[in-house]
Amino acid sequence: QVQLVQSGTEVKKPGASVRVSCKSSGNTFTDYYFHWVRQAPGQGLEWMGWVNSQTGDTNHPQKFRGRVTMTRETSTTTAYMEMSSLRPDDTATYYCAANYGGNDRFDYWGQGTLVIVSS
Amino acid sequence: DIQMTQSPSTLSASVGDRVTITCRASRHINGWLAWYQQKPGKAPKLMIYMASSVESGVPSRFSGSGSGADFTLTISSLQPDDSATYYCQQYYSSISFGGGTKVEI
Repeated sequence: QVQLVQSGTEVKKPGASVRVSCKSSGNTFTDYYFHWVRQAPGQGLEWMGWVNSQTGDTNHPQKFRGRVTMTRETSTTTAYMEMSSLRPDDTATYYCAANYGGNDRFDYWGQGTLVIVSS
Repeated sequence: DIQMTQSPSTLSASVGDRVTITCRASRHINGWLAWYQQKPGKAPKLMIYMASSVESGVPSRFSGSGSGADFTLTISSLQPDDSATYYCQQYYSSISFGGGTKVEI
């Protein structure tokens, strides 16, 4: 069973960057893909992409290419999502999620990290 | 990109009612569909995968069906704890979610 624990709330100014971490425990880290899914207040779920924890390969929908970087650190079994050029409409709860197969269902979820972008 | 459309967006029902939520994909997704339950302030929870396989630990009143581009989530006898928002997700081609259905009791 995998447990995912995310970093805490972030408050950023427009134009800044944010990095959110997702610490994995309970199973072999490199067996999984780590995804990021965000949810604006009162809105639905939006998939942002994945990082293959074994190879470091990433996949993002076009909307996030160039502004979002997903990485992982195998020594600390932690995945990261960094977003640059933040805008107020990036205010959302950011979830990490893990699965075995990349484009697959999400078996495990972190608790979410609230990112607030406001001047 | 595959678009996922859920209906209704909100439904109100009583304890014991049979409830059905629909999810339609913009093209066939060959059964590569999951359903999640999300309660306020919590992460989504996987309920159904491969359109009709029930995740371990999920109550038997939850079931999924469908094929091609049309899918349903059914709660056979609604319970107070089922009050939540439900999302479908396709993973046939990339990943995308439906807009959600809020179930009120």
